[in-house]
Formats: sequence, C-alpha cells, structure tokens
Amino acid sequence: AQSVTQPDIHITVSEGASLELRCNYSYGATPYLFWYVQSPGQGLQLLLKYFSGDTLVQGIKGFEAEFKRSQSSFNLRKPSVHWSDAAEYFCAVGFNAGKSTFGDGTTLTVKP
Amino acid sequence: EPEVTQTPSHQVTQMGQEVILRCVPISNHLYFYWYRQILGQKVEFLVSFYNNEISEKSEIFDDQFSVERPDGSNFTLKIRSTKLEDSAMYFCASSAILLSDGYTFGSGTRLTVV
Repeated sequence: AQSVTQPDIHITVSEGASLELRCNYSYGATPYLFWYVQSPGQGLQLLLKYFSGDTLVQGIKGFEAEFKRSQSSFNLRKPSVHWSDAAEYFCAVGFNAGKSTFGDGTTLTVKP
Repeated sequence: EPEVTQTPSHQVTQMGQEVILRCVPISNHLYFYWYRQILGQKVEFLVSFYNNEISEKSEIFDDQFSVERPDGSNFTLKIRSTKLEDSAMYFCASSAILLSDGYTFGSGTRLTVV
C-alpha cells in the first residue's frame, strides 16, 4: 500500500542547533515529494519540492531536503534553527493525478 | 505574492444544516483541490477539480459533498447535511501546472458542527 511516514511525532531542538526531520515513503515509483510547514491556526506553506534531477533541493527559509532513492527518504534539514521555525511540518507525496498524500506531521518545538 | 483566499475563516453550523465553503484560487491556476484536517490529525485529500469537473475524489467525498466553480474566480465546497464528524479545518489549494509547482494553500475554514 502507498504510504508516507514521518517517524517523529514531536522534536525539540535548541535555537541555533541543526535540525533534521525524517520522511519515508512507500510507492511503486518515485513520486513528487514536498515539504510543507503549518504555523498554528494557519494554512500550509510549501517549503520545497523534488521531482527529478539534483537530489539535494533548496527551499525557502533556509531549509533543504535530500532525496535518497535507495532509502525511499526525503529528509528535511536546516543547519541553524530559529525560534520562528517552531511549527508543524508535513511531508507529502503525489503523482501526476494531482492528489497528494500527507504524512502525520512532525511538531517542532524550539527551546531558547 | 498571489494568494488563495478562503471564506469564512470560521463557520459554526448545526448538525443537519448545509454549509458552503468558499475559495478564490490564484487567477491563472487551473487545478483546484479541497483537503481537510480534523483537529490533531493528518491532512486528508477530498477532491481535485480541473476543467470544470472532478478529476479525482477520496472515499471521504461521499454524496453529501459537492464542488462547483460557479464563475471564473470562485471554487466552492458544499456539505449538504453536516454531521458532527465533519468538524475540521478545510483547506482549498490550487496549482498552475499539475503538481509541478506544488500547491498554494489557503489559510483554511474552521468548520464546527454542533
């Protein structure tokens, strides 16, 4: 069955520390891959996307993600977290039909 | 930067009533979607819409749901007879090219069924 897994429900990091949020997918082929961020009470904002080509993609707000086909992973990273990064992060996968399937989300807390 | 606009931001309705959630997608986008997020749960696909017809719908999108693009700018989700379990955040999204750019989401409508 097709699935998207975000293994970490909640992550806490100190401000200035590095961050990695994990995402694994299970699909028959390489789908389109996305990371979205949702601040409390807000909609979802696209951070970055991967379709093909360079497996390290850069996004907004200093985020990057690396696609690893062998591990079926698309992990999100940031070298130095800011307090304003506290939010919920969703990994999503999709195909050309347009529908995306979202993971359960990872809540990021940033300690001062 | 272009935005997807959703109204109202919060709707309270009695069980069994009809509600219409409204969305104004980005003007040059061609693909439109509705997703919902029950409090504390994942974002779930409801329906996609292209060229004035539904292109895909989920199991959630049963006969009580319908979508419409009544004019060149609005995209609506109607729930005919609301149930308590329809309480959720409903997000509209649009994209210019099929998934190539990802979605632009609206800020959502919080529907509370009492």
